[in-house]
Amino acid sequence: EVQLVESGGGLVQPGRSLRLSCEASGFTFNKYSFNWVRQAPGKGLEWISYIADMGMITYADSVKGRFTISRDNVKNSLHLQMNSLRVEDTAVYYCAREGYYSGFDCWGQGTLVSVSS
Amino acid sequence: QSALTQPASVSGSPGQSITISCTGTSSDVGDYNRVSWYQQYPGKAPKLMIFEVNNRPSGVSDRFSGSKSGNTASLTMSGLQAEDEADYYCSSYTNRHTWVFGGGTKLTVV
Repeated sequence: EVQLVESGGGLVQPGRSLRLSCEASGFTFNKYSFNWVRQAPGKGLEWISYIADMGMITYADSVKGRFTISRDNVKNSLHLQMNSLRVEDTAVYYCAREGYYSGFDCWGQGTLVSVSS
Repeated sequence: QSALTQPASVSGSPGQSITISCTGTSSDVGDYNRVSWYQQYPGKAPKLMIFEVNNRPSGVSDRFSGSKSGNTASLTMSGLQAEDEADYYCSSYTNRHTWVFGGGTKLTVV
């Protein structure tokens, strides 16, 4: 079964850091590109970062310079290092696989990040 | 990068057809056929319903279809069913090698 499982969320104070992980199983991880998408409480989806199978990386302006995406093709895992967290970063964070054809065809269950003092 | 524009809500009766629009710019929807649509139930992860404007993944009902004209993409649902009641989001690749989502549309089946 194709599966993505996020972990690492939690409650953190503004200005602190958090590292999210996404463990993949059921498919050949290194052949796919991945994304992080977040959803603030009661709000819509917001794309925040992409890492290609060949390594190209892009970020949304809202997180550029603060968040770092990475992947470990040996451990079949995706990561998001989040620094200088702000209250407005509070959201459920999803990892999502980009299928061979454009479209995010597999999503994790999400992990909640709450930034509050 | 501004979000794509979707109506906040649409409604329809069982058996009817509805269309949700998604308006972007020449830097995203208008320049790429990499437009996708997602269905999301409350508290659940999104599900891919349409990719590359008008293609359905395996297992998605043929009641769902997509199209695009200029800077506007559309999702049409025919034969509306109660289980279609959910939030729907469009997404497009952009010329900055990023993706952008629409604000989401809440579909109510009355």
